[in-house]
Amino acid sequence: GAVVSQHPSRVICKSGTSVKIECRSLDFQATTMFWYRQFPKQSLMLMATSNEGSKATYEQGVEKDKFLINHASLTLSTLTVTSAHPEDSSFYICSAFALGGGYEQYFGPGTRLTVT
Amino acid sequence: AQSVSQHNHHVILSEAASLELGCNYSYGGTVNLFWYVQYPGQHLQLLLKYFSGDPLVKGIKGFEAEFIKSKFSFNLRKPSVQWSDTAEYFCAVTWYSGGGADGLTFGKGTHLIIQP
Repeated sequence: GAVVSQHPSRVICKSGTSVKIECRSLDFQATTMFWYRQFPKQSLMLMATSNEGSKATYEQGVEKDKFLINHASLTLSTLTVTSAHPEDSSFYICSAFALGGGYEQYFGPGTRLTVT
Repeated sequence: AQSVSQHNHHVILSEAASLELGCNYSYGGTVNLFWYVQYPGQHLQLLLKYFSGDPLVKGIKGFEAEFIKSKFSFNLRKPSVQWSDTAEYFCAVTWYSGGGADGLTFGKGTHLIIQP
């Protein structure tokens, strides 16, 4: 089946620094990738839609200057949390939409970000 | 605004009991409907999906769901649960925009505990 990986799985950073999270589709091409955020014991909230070769589309309320998304290839999207603050601590999950994949999104395992 | 409601946030059942988890979405239009499961410490897995056709869909692990358009509902069912079904269950919806892939709107999730 389609596999999506994320790196790192866990990261701890100091307030004010930036963190980059990678999302890779390992065995398929993904023209579209999505980034979600999940707070403890809560549901996933869509942050942005990332299309290969174009600018990401952000959901209302998501700061695009804080959460920089780059989708440089059909297998890689990155999310950079800039000038991170403790309130950015969360679980970030990406999903990839496979070409010809029956309109299904395949989810990565998530990245736990802790900002101290 | 588009929303997805899951009626049961915590459900505790005994093994072999029947399960039904409710899911409603906010309004009509063309929708794609999904149920995902998240086992402890693992990433989201697709249980089943509905795009069109027979409103009763069967998924993995003995789960099924019924799409009732008039009620904007997509309830998940399993006739006899097992201890291994203990997990978090998410209902998710995309509203067809006519373009490419659309991000998922998730319900808040149902934490299901199966007692042996």
